[in-house]
Amino acid sequence: KNEVEQSPQNLTAQEGEFITINCSYSVGISALHWLQQHPGGGIVSLFMLSSGKKKHGRLIATINIQEKHSSLHITAPHPRDSAVYICAVTAGATNKLIFGTGTLLAVQP
Amino acid sequence: DTAVSQTPKYLVTQMGNDKSIKCEQNLGHDTMYWYKQDSKKFLKIMFSYNNKELIINETVPNRFSPKSPDKAHLNLHINSLELGDSAVYFCASSRYWTSGDSDTQYFGPGTRLTVL
Repeated sequence: KNEVEQSPQNLTAQEGEFITINCSYSVGISALHWLQQHPGGGIVSLFMLSSGKKKHGRLIATINIQEKHSSLHITAPHPRDSAVYICAVTAGATNKLIFGTGTLLAVQP
Repeated sequence: DTAVSQTPKYLVTQMGNDKSIKCEQNLGHDTMYWYKQDSKKFLKIMFSYNNKELIINETVPNRFSPKSPDKAHLNLHINSLELGDSAVYFCASSRYWTSGDSDTQYFGPGTRLTVL
């Protein structure tokens, strides 16, 4: 079983529909990261958080350390938000990332 | 100005060949990483260097040899390429290597390696 699990694996949403992607992890972590991988392949870091909540534009990330769970919300998604969203954690002594399997989001106009 | 760059972007080669992928970052970071993304799009750490010193070597065949001539460069050399090495290889960098200083990682554009 992977140390980082994401759900759903695939998500289709209508433009403007509030969406949530979930991430659960089974190890002690120092931080949790949300990454975005566009169809072109590039990977961009969206958030790094170790507690509470962060917001950037229409994206909100929350983490519950006690429950070992994080959520990524996109309010009013656009078709250009269509991408793979990847949850990753840093655990242990180093900053190496341990990745979830990703969630493929397709936003339809 | 590209923060983390990789060359080449695409690499197609025959089984048994030796090839290298180069990575450079201009962010002034001390730590660099190689990650492999397999055919199912799953990402996994391969190596990490901090200031030219190897600090992470995950269970990777010794046909893979990273080299860091300086802290801005991390290259990956692969000997005797096999079909299973086909993947996308991402370089990344961060300021720090210890989890006590958790830090955002910046990724290169990836190198798609196809072994025929």
